[in-house]
Amino acid sequence: LAKTTQPISMDSYEGQEVNITCSHNNIATNDYITWYQQFPSQGPRFIIQGYKTKVTNEVASLFIPADRKSSTLSLPRVSLSDTAVYYCLVGGVNRDDKIIFGKGTRLHILP
Amino acid sequence: DAGVIQSPRHEVTEMGQEVTLRCKPISGHDYLFWYRQTMMRGLELLIYFNNNVPIDDSGMPEDRFSAKMPNASFSTLKIQPSEPRDSAVYFCASFGLANTGELFFGEGSRLTVL
Repeated sequence: LAKTTQPISMDSYEGQEVNITCSHNNIATNDYITWYQQFPSQGPRFIIQGYKTKVTNEVASLFIPADRKSSTLSLPRVSLSDTAVYYCLVGGVNRDDKIIFGKGTRLHILP
Repeated sequence: DAGVIQSPRHEVTEMGQEVTLRCKPISGHDYLFWYRQTMMRGLELLIYFNNNVPIDDSGMPEDRFSAKMPNASFSTLKIQPSEPRDSAVYFCASFGLANTGELFFGEGSRLTVL
């Protein structure tokens, strides 16, 4: 399993764009990068997944450089409700892989 | 679909008592995961099943913990006897049908052992 490293915490202000970077130097060829969001008292929720280049959905964008050793989750124009813990996971979509969560990044949005 | 359903949402018990947590995965999902979350240790994978068969239980902390999945729509996590250090939020999650890597979580069962 590829190990991931992401900042423990981040602060930002409402209306700003927030970028959270995750390092995964040992990513394997068939590994995908998946991000989850967890609000207090709730289970994690899938945000976005990608393999290379850029992926965008209604919630976020995911930027993956050519070497795939890192990835950046971009949240446009955050609001107070985006305060949550964000987890970066790396692994194959082969469902026999363990799905292991790290410590995540605690994002705090200030008014 | 109602999503992953867990019960009870909250349980307070005394040390030494048996605790049973229940999970109903999303219909059609063939993988089910049990996680435990605490402030100190974060989100830990305890065990996961594929087609009702346990695949990896290396995260189960000790013999006091056991998990079963008697059919595709039901799983239990049992702690016997419970100890105060078992206090945590226990999450159940199931895997989506499409190969998208999306794991669906229940709302969790908050366990307090006094």
